[in-house]
Order: sequence, then structure tokens, then C-alpha cells
Amino acid sequence: DVKVTQSSRYLVKRTGEKVFLECVQDMDHENMFWYRQDPGLGLRLIYFSYDVKMKEKGDIPEGYSVSREKKERFSLILESASTNQTSMYLCASSLTLDTWAEAFFGQGTRLTVV
Amino acid sequence: GNSVTQMEGPVTLSEEAFLTINCTYTATGYPSLFWYVQYPGEGLQLLLKATKADDKGSNKGFEATYRKETTSFHLEKGSVQVSDSAVYFCALSDYSGGGADGLTFGKGTHLIIQP
Repeated sequence: DVKVTQSSRYLVKRTGEKVFLECVQDMDHENMFWYRQDPGLGLRLIYFSYDVKMKEKGDIPEGYSVSREKKERFSLILESASTNQTSMYLCASSLTLDTWAEAFFGQGTRLTVV
Repeated sequence: GNSVTQMEGPVTLSEEAFLTINCTYTATGYPSLFWYVQYPGEGLQLLLKATKADDKGSNKGFEATYRKETTSFHLEKGSVQVSDSAVYFCALSDYSGGGADGLTFGKGTHLIIQP
């Protein structure tokens, strides 16, 4: 089974802190995604990566950056956390850019910024 | 661009009732269509998928048929159980317009099944 693992289920950080959310997948998938999920807004894409060191901005990249130094690992970085970044963060991966390839999700990280 | 529209709910049903959750889409290319389910406190997991027109995806008693003529992929189940209570997301993948726009989700439908 494909496994996508996010480093933390729950995280509490202070305003202004630099926050790292880590995601690892174990099936050699090319694509990795970071979403945030908020009530009434569904899933919004923050960043997408289709290869090592390659990334594309999603719908809401402001205040975030990403790093993909190895194929299996995709990190989301909050440069200076703010309370409006309190949310559920979901990492996903997919095998290729073929349309049939479904996405596999991690269990999510619920981040609270105080 | 690509988009997915689904009823947001909450949808409340009694156990053993018939379920339909509507989903329609717009896409520039020839997408694959998916239904994902999210149980409380968890990430999303694939429920079923269809990769071309007239395909039917099925899993755990749920079914959905890819209707190109009506650009729809409605989710159905004949008899729901309390354990089906979850949030259901309709999604499409179509990378013809670029990677970041390639995977598009609806806003999710919260389903509540009462005993």
C-alpha cells in the first residue's frame, strides 16, 4: 500500500515562528501536493511539485514556501506563522501526470497558530 | 479552467435510505473523475474512480457513472449505514493545462446518517 506520512497530527505554534510541515511518501511518486482545508472552502492548493527541486504555485501560495530536495519528501514552510494560517494541512502524492493516477493523502496536520 | 461543483450539505439521511450526491464538472481536456471520502480527523482516501466516458466506478456499495453528455459524476448508494457518515469530495484530474491545475476538488459534501 502507498503510504503518505505527515510528521505531526497536531501542532501549536506562536505567531511569527517559522514552521516546517514534513511529508514523506514511500512509492516513488513523481508528484506531491500541499493543500489546506478550511470549513466551507474545501481543499485549496498551496503548492505542487512534479519533480525534485521543481515546484508550481497553487491557488494560495502567499505566506508559504516549499522544499523538495529528495523525491520522497516534500516540506511546507510557513516563513512567519500568523493566526490566519490556523488550518488543517493535507499532503498528497500521485504517481505521474497521467489523468488516471489518483492522489494518495496523508492523515493531515492540524496547525493552530496562537 | 477546470472546476467541480457538488452539493455542500450537510445531507442528513436515515439508515438504509438511498443516497445521491450530485457532482458536475467543467474541464478543458479529457479528465478522469474521482470520489474521495474523509472520515473525521483523517485525510482523504479514494472511494472510486472512472477514467473515461460511460465508465462506472464502484466500491463498498457506492457507484458513480462518468457521463460526458451531462458532465456529471453523481455518487449513489442503495442503502446507507451509520458508518458512511463522512465528508465526500468529487474531483477531477486533467493535466492538459498544467500540473498545478491538474487536480481539482469540489468543496465536499458532509453526509450524516442517523440510526
